[in-house]
Amino acid sequence: QVQLVESGGGVVQPGGSLRLSCVASGFTFITCGMHWVRQAPGKGLEWVAFIQYDGIKQYFADSLKGRFTISRDNSKNTLYLQMNSLRVDDTAVYYCVKDLPDWNFDYWGQGTLVTVSS
Amino acid sequence: QSALTQPRSVSGSPGQSVTISCTGTSSDVGGYNYVSWYQQRPGKAPKLIIYDVNKRPSGVPDRFSGSKSGNTASLTISGLQAEDEADYYCCSYAGSYTFVLFGGGTKLTVL
Repeated sequence: QVQLVESGGGVVQPGGSLRLSCVASGFTFITCGMHWVRQAPGKGLEWVAFIQYDGIKQYFADSLKGRFTISRDNSKNTLYLQMNSLRVDDTAVYYCVKDLPDWNFDYWGQGTLVTVSS
Repeated sequence: QSALTQPRSVSGSPGQSVTISCTGTSSDVGGYNYVSWYQQRPGKAPKLIIYDVNKRPSGVPDRFSGSKSGNTASLTISGLQAEDEADYYCCSYAGSYTFVLFGGGTKLTVL
């Protein structure tokens, strides 16, 4: 069965950096686009970023451009999100999500909580 | 671009039907057939229940159905069950600049 397991969340000060990881199993990772989606406490869902199956194309939510980067290591079935210059409003649960495709999100990880606080 | 517009809450009794609307613009909902719906129970990750406007993933009951008219998509849940109580989010592709928009979410209460 498909499994997506995120890690790397935690507490970080404003202006700090954090790298999230997501290990995928149960499907052919190398053929699938992947997303990060976040959810602030008590709030709705917000799409963060997408990376094409081969890592060549990457897209970001406009508000995050320049601060976040998305990457993948297909030899390790692992997706990454590098977050820099973190702000208090980046506090959220970050979900690793498989693309169906066509911008439909068919499998979600359990999420990892990132808290930005001084 | 702003998030898609959903009612904050809807309710219904067991066995009834409810419909949740999701209003966007011609640049998102109205412009593409990439509308999806997600169910999220408290403390859990979202679950895909409808994709490409009206398709159901394997394992999703046919009580869940999706449709679209113009700039508004809808999710209908028929034969409401207690287990349907959850938050529901719509989502649409929004072109090659914004890419993805979610609705603000609708809390479904089964009375």
